[in-house]
Amino acid sequence: AAGVIQSPRHLIKEKRETATLKCYPIPRHDTVYWYQQGPGQDPQFLISFYEKMQSDKGSIPDRFSAQQFSDYHSELNMSSLELGDSALYFCASSIGVDTQYFGPGTRLTVL
Amino acid sequence: GQQLNQSPQSMFIQEGEDVSMNCTSSSIFNTWLWYKQDPGEGPVLLIALYKAGELTSNGRLTAQFGITRKDSFLNISASIPSDVGIYFCAGQLPGGGSNYKLTFGKGTLLTVNP
Repeated sequence: AAGVIQSPRHLIKEKRETATLKCYPIPRHDTVYWYQQGPGQDPQFLISFYEKMQSDKGSIPDRFSAQQFSDYHSELNMSSLELGDSALYFCASSIGVDTQYFGPGTRLTVL
Repeated sequence: GQQLNQSPQSMFIQEGEDVSMNCTSSSIFNTWLWYKQDPGEGPVLLIALYKAGELTSNGRLTAQFGITRKDSFLNISASIPSDVGIYFCAGQLPGGGSNYKLTFGKGTLLTVNP
């Protein structure tokens, strides 16, 4: 069965650079969630979209923005990167409020 | 915000043993989910629970949604080496509006000794 696709899987950036993470949900899933997981931590909710509209916002820095496109894929844009942004970033998708399925994640390292 | 208390933090067991872990919360959740995460990978859904009191099995896994809607447990029977990983409970808030994000427990690190 098709799963959530995230790209890139690994990303290395310098401080103050920008990064764009992409998420392709499971076909027919209309809801996308972004989570950030620091080393040894549990995933923390950042932001979600339903039918291309932002549906909820968590502890997402103002330096980050995201959107969901007409084909339901989503992009997380991160600017002025800081060392503390180094983490695993997961995208999850669902049909409406149904069960969320997670992608493999993007490991972001900020040097 | 909501917090989930997951215990134990870690377990070291022998292959073939049964395992039990649980999550409690001061808040009511509409849905409880259990995920397993391997290092550097995304959480994989094991069991989803939608109704208070519900008991659901998935192979050697059994999970229950507490009757108060504030707790859940996961049991793994006859553990095998590939059960190694971090197990997370996650709660989803009651319906209404758009607030369907997951709140995660801190995870239980399971090590199985062959």
